[in-house]
Amino acid sequence: GQQVMQIPQYQHVQEGEDFTTYCNSSTTLSNIQWYKQRPGGHPVFLIQLVKSGEVKKQKRLTFQFGEAKKNSSLHITATQTTDVGTYFCAPGSSNTGKLIFGQGTTLQVKP
Amino acid sequence: EAGVAQSPRYKIIEKRQSVAFWCNPISGHATLYWYQQILGQGPKLLIQFQNNGVVDDSQLPKDRFSAERLKGVDSTLKIQPAKLEDSAVYLCASSLVGGGWQPQHFGDGTRLSIL
Repeated sequence: GQQVMQIPQYQHVQEGEDFTTYCNSSTTLSNIQWYKQRPGGHPVFLIQLVKSGEVKKQKRLTFQFGEAKKNSSLHITATQTTDVGTYFCAPGSSNTGKLIFGQGTTLQVKP
Repeated sequence: EAGVAQSPRYKIIEKRQSVAFWCNPISGHATLYWYQQILGQGPKLLIQFQNNGVVDDSQLPKDRFSAERLKGVDSTLKIQPAKLEDSAVYLCASSLVGGGWQPQHFGDGTRLSIL
C-alpha cells in the first residue's frame, strides 16, 4: 500500500524563520492532503493537491506537489508561535477515500 | 455547522476490561472513519464506513475490536478485552463521500489509558 516518509521528524525554529517539511513516496500518488494537529488537538484539514507540479498558497503557507507526484512539501514563511503543531501529509486513495498518514513533522517555534 | 462529536473524552480502564466509544459525524456526511493515534505517530485507519456498510477494515484487530454504524449516522467502536498496547487516542472523522478527494473532519477524540 501507499506509504510516505516525512522529514524532518522534529524542527525547532526561532520565530520569524522559515520552515519546510517534506513528504516522499516510492509510488505515484493520485492526490495528497495536508493536516495540522495542535498539541492536544485533532488533525485539521489544510489543503489537497491533485495535479502534477501543483502549487497552492494559504497566506504564509506554500504547498507543492512534485512533477512526478511522488513527493510534496509544505513551506511556512516567517513562522509565528501559532504555527506550532504537527504537520501530516496523507496520500488519498481515489477509490475508497482511505488516507495513509505520514508520521508527521512536529514544529516548535521559539518566541 | 456542528462538528464531529465524540464521547467520552477520556477513559481509564484496566487491561482485559471492555470499553466503547461513540461518534456522531457531521450531518449529511456519508463516510465515517475510526482512527487510532498512538503518541508520537500519525493516525492509523481502523475502519471506514460508507453509510452503514464497511468499506475498509483491513487494519482492525477483529479479535478484540468491533465497530458498527447501524443507521448510517452514529457509530460505536468497542474494544473487548483491552490490552496495554491499546492505549491511544481514538479519533472519529467524517467526510461528505469517500473517494479520497474529500477533506476529513475530525472529532476531538477519546484518550484511552489502559492500566
